[in-house]
Amino acid sequence: QIQLVQSGAEVKKPGASVKVACKASGYTFNRYSIGWVRQAPGQGLEWMGWVSGFNRNTYSAQKFQGRVTMTTDTSTTTAYMELRGLRSDDTAVYFCARHSGTSPIHAFDIWGQGTLVTVSS
Amino acid sequence: IVMTQSPATLSVSPGEMATLSCRASQSVSSDLAWYQQKPGQAPRLLIYGSSTRATGIPARFSGSGSGTEFTLTIASLQSEDVAVYYCQQYNNWPPLTFGGGTKVEIK
Repeated sequence: QIQLVQSGAEVKKPGASVKVACKASGYTFNRYSIGWVRQAPGQGLEWMGWVSGFNRNTYSAQKFQGRVTMTTDTSTTTAYMELRGLRSDDTAVYFCARHSGTSPIHAFDIWGQGTLVTVSS
Repeated sequence: IVMTQSPATLSVSPGEMATLSCRASQSVSSDLAWYQQKPGQAPRLLIYGSSTRATGIPARFSGSGSGTEFTLTIASLQSEDVAVYYCQQYNNWPPLTFGGGTKVEIK
């Protein structure tokens, strides 16, 4: 079946980096794009950015520009999100989600299970 | 585009209708999705294109609206519908934006 499976929970110290993996299966990876969304404890959903599964184009929300890198590996059908310079307010569950098309002008039809990233000294 | 959802919390008796609202700060045409998120779970797509149910979504869920005003209706609330519901616009990006959510609970 179509699914996105994310890497496991991480605990990081302030200033460190984290790289979350999102393994796609059950569909043609390069026909869709992947978005990243995070959710701080008890809060709503926040869009972080997008990466194309077709041509690796990427765009990140202004808030994260300079700190985040979104990539894909088509050979392993895996998307990655790396966030650098972690702060305590980056503590959140990070979701990858598939856009139902090649660009961000489509809803998110498949979601990963989420990866909890805890930033604590 | 700012997405505003109301109410923040909605208490509904089992079998009754629940009506959730979402307003966009500018027109998003019909490029509006609704998601359901249960505690400890990832969001799940319910509605896209303002009114099209996603695969496997029960018929008691329906969406309507265009432009700046949207509604999600749960025709007959079931216990398994207790969740937080988010709207999201994908018409005008960056950024893609979500509403703050409506928590639906059983009265």
